[in-house]
Amino acid sequence: GENVEQHPSTLSVQEGDSAVIKCTYSDSASNYFPWYKQELGKRPQLIIDIRSNVGEKKDQRIAVTLNKTAKHFSLHITETQPEDSAVYFCAPLGGAQKLVFGQGTRLTINP
Amino acid sequence: DTAVSQTPKYLVTQMGNDKSIKCEQNLGHDTMYWYKQDSKKFLKIMFSYNNKELIINETVPNRFSPKSPDKAHLNLHINSLELGDSAVYFCASSQGSFEAGYTFGSGTRLTVV
Repeated sequence: GENVEQHPSTLSVQEGDSAVIKCTYSDSASNYFPWYKQELGKRPQLIIDIRSNVGEKKDQRIAVTLNKTAKHFSLHITETQPEDSAVYFCAPLGGAQKLVFGQGTRLTINP
Repeated sequence: DTAVSQTPKYLVTQMGNDKSIKCEQNLGHDTMYWYKQDSKKFLKIMFSYNNKELIINETVPNRFSPKSPDKAHLNLHINSLELGDSAVYFCASSQGSFEAGYTFGSGTRLTVV
């Protein structure tokens, strides 16, 4: 089955700085790469996704980059704000037709 | 209107009991899922249904039985509850299972005492 690992597991940055979370996966059939944000006590919510024919996608302060050869993709958040504090999950979709979630990265933005 | 709604939001029950969690989506999606999130926040798929047909059944004890009466509903019935079943259970839906973002329900926090 798909092995998915996220790094780091916790990340603390100063407000206004950038944060980067990396996700590595094992299934070479993976072709869809989303990132989910889960605030405390809330549901996971899709914040950005990328498909395998694209190398980078941006949406305001967040971006995702994909390296299919190396089997990893990363979430980039610029100009971080307190409301960015949450747990972030990568969840590549592999050949088994299901999202396999990483273990999560707890991001804390310090004012 | 809530896109994916689960009931109940909280469930506290004794070991050995049988309980059900209900999920409904009004997005017109054809695929629904149950995920379990444990105390360490790991999100693991349990089941997936496409147009009422079971397509994913992970290694889950057979005390857990999903039921999909129609493509807008996916319920989860759990028999003989154990302490280790305590977790947050999330229902989700998507249009197809390829390259589709999932919409999650708000979760059901199950506590077995």
